[in-house]
This record gives sequence, structure tokens and C-alpha cells, in this order.
Amino acid sequence: EAQVTQNPRYLITVTGKKLTVTCSQNMNHEYMSWYRQDPGLGLRQIYYSMNVEVTDKGDVPEGYKVSRKEKRNFPLILESPSPNQTSLYFCASSLTTEHREKLFFGSGTQLSVL
Amino acid sequence: AQKVTQAQTEISVVEKEDVTLDCVYETRDTTYYLFWYKQPPSGELVFLIRRNSFDEQNEISGRYSWNFQKSTSSFNFTITASQVVDSAVYFCALIPISGGYNKLIFGAGTRLAVHP
Repeated sequence: EAQVTQNPRYLITVTGKKLTVTCSQNMNHEYMSWYRQDPGLGLRQIYYSMNVEVTDKGDVPEGYKVSRKEKRNFPLILESPSPNQTSLYFCASSLTTEHREKLFFGSGTQLSVL
Repeated sequence: AQKVTQAQTEISVVEKEDVTLDCVYETRDTTYYLFWYKQPPSGELVFLIRRNSFDEQNEISGRYSWNFQKSTSSFNFTITASQVVDSAVYFCALIPISGGYNKLIFGAGTRLAVHP
């Protein structure tokens, strides 16, 4: 089944404790991206990747890192999480960078930073 | 500025009513894509429709219809004969060509509650 898999689904952590949210897609998609969803703000793009070893900042990259060592995986790393990073995070992928194909979203990761 | 405005934060209707969700977008680009996504209470995002800027044809899919008007920069979504299962947050989104198609700009979302 074609899908984007995020883990974990829920995560509670404390300020400053490094964490990684994993994202994997099985559709051989070139394009992957991370979004955070906050009430009243919709979804905002954190980082995106057009292909292996090609990543770039979105609108709200501060406090986040990503890597794209393999085509299928695009982990989101919070080196020193802070409470303002408490949010619902979505990973997404599409076949090409042109977005003419629809964007496939993961199920989301609800992160709480205490 | 490139942005998407969904002015209706929450809408509440009774089952079988028709409801229209408004979406107004801003972009300097002449080439862009518009989307609607549904986020049910379970939290996942479900793709509903994609429309490119050169195609102003309205679209109907079952009880759903979309009205794209470039003259007013609007891409409104109508649900006919709403059902409880339509209860969700609905997001309108824009991809402008000037972002190299890499930017997906979301509106803040409209929460629709359909009551029996």
C-alpha cells in the first residue's frame, strides 16, 4: 500500500532533549517536506527536499534540522526542543518537485515539549 | 505577498443543509495550483482537489463542488446536503510557480461541524 509513515504518532518530551521524528515513503517520490500545524495558522512548511542530499528551508526552519540520505527517508530533528515547538507535525511527499501530482501526507505526529 | 485566506474559522450546520467554505488567495504569479484538503477528527490530511490557474472550469464530485474564479481570486468549496461525516477542518492551499513549486501555502482552515 502506497503510504507515508511517520513515527511516533505521539511524543511528549522535555526542553532540551534531542529528538527525531521519522518519515518514510514507499512510493519512490522525489519530493518530501515537513509541516507544522498550529491553531489559527494552518500548516506551515519547515523544510523540504527535492531529492537525495538536496534540502532547503521552508517558512519556519528555526530550531529544526533535516537530512535526506536515502530517497525514502526524511527525518526531522529537533536538537534542543523548546515549548514553542509543541505542535502537530506532518510529513508529505510527492512524485516530482513540480507538485502536479498530489501531495501524500503522513498521519501526523503530535509533539508536546514540556 | 502570497497568502491564502479562509475567513470562516468555524461553521456549524444541520445535516442536509448546503454549506460553502470560502477561500481567497493572493499571488503575483500567473501560474499556480490551488488545493483543498480535508482533516477529519482522526487528524490525517485527505486530498480533495487540485486545480491549476489555467483551468477555471468548475468541478463537481458527488456532493462536493468547487467554484474557481480568477477575477475575484477565489476558490470556494460547496458541500451539498451535508452529512455528519463531513465534519472536519478544511484547508485551502496554494502553490505558486515562483516558489519553484516547492512552497505549499495553507490557509488557516475552516472547522465544519455538521449536526444530526
